[in-house]
Amino acid sequence: DTGVSQDPRHKITKRGQNVTFRCDPISEHNRLYWYRQTLGQGPEFLTYFQNEAQLEKSRLLSDRFSAERPKGSFSTLEIQRTEQGDSAMYLCASSRDRTEAFFGQGTRLTVV
Amino acid sequence: TQLLEQSPQFLSIQEGENLTVYCNSSSVFSSLQWYRQEPGEGPVLLVTVVTGGEVKKLKRLTFQFGDARKDSSLHITAAQPGDTGLYLCAGEVYGGSQGNLIFGKGTKLSVKP
Repeated sequence: DTGVSQDPRHKITKRGQNVTFRCDPISEHNRLYWYRQTLGQGPEFLTYFQNEAQLEKSRLLSDRFSAERPKGSFSTLEIQRTEQGDSAMYLCASSRDRTEAFFGQGTRLTVV
Repeated sequence: TQLLEQSPQFLSIQEGENLTVYCNSSSVFSSLQWYRQEPGEGPVLLVTVVTGGEVKKLKRLTFQFGDARKDSSLHITAAQPGDTGLYLCAGEVYGGSQGNLIFGKGTKLSVKP
């Protein structure tokens, strides 16, 4: 296992379209996090899972956003009816319980 | 309001110089992590500090956690062009959500040869 893997690395979509991103965490990690990062800012927390349970969601996660981790392994983040303001880097991280979080390379979303 | 304030926001220095970046908060943190991020990539973990007053060294990088666990610093000795990047501090607020790692805005470091 080489680390947290995210797919795709880049996504360009038209406003109004739906997009889905995938994250494969480090295999023995039970926690999985989603963050969003815009230019000039640090990552902002969106949501996290412990195993398959989604334990917390940020106010940033509007009802157009949904995240799943059905079997406690990989996770998906879906954005419906994308808006230009959704353009950002979407980062996934994983950890074993409350130990250090390791990040993937991110998915860069551009909404045109 | 930003829970974690990083300073300076930008830093441009010559190779061989020393530098210190700061991460400050009014909140107490259970732990604090430093990451380095390059453009278009995810943050890469450098170190985690958990004990007030703790000092950790990673080659030319020295990390310190404040006694009260509210602040941290990163000191780089004899900076090299390969140190160029965005340095982010992130912490888990003591008594706060167990999953919410709070990030600062970062210090963008440029080391010129």
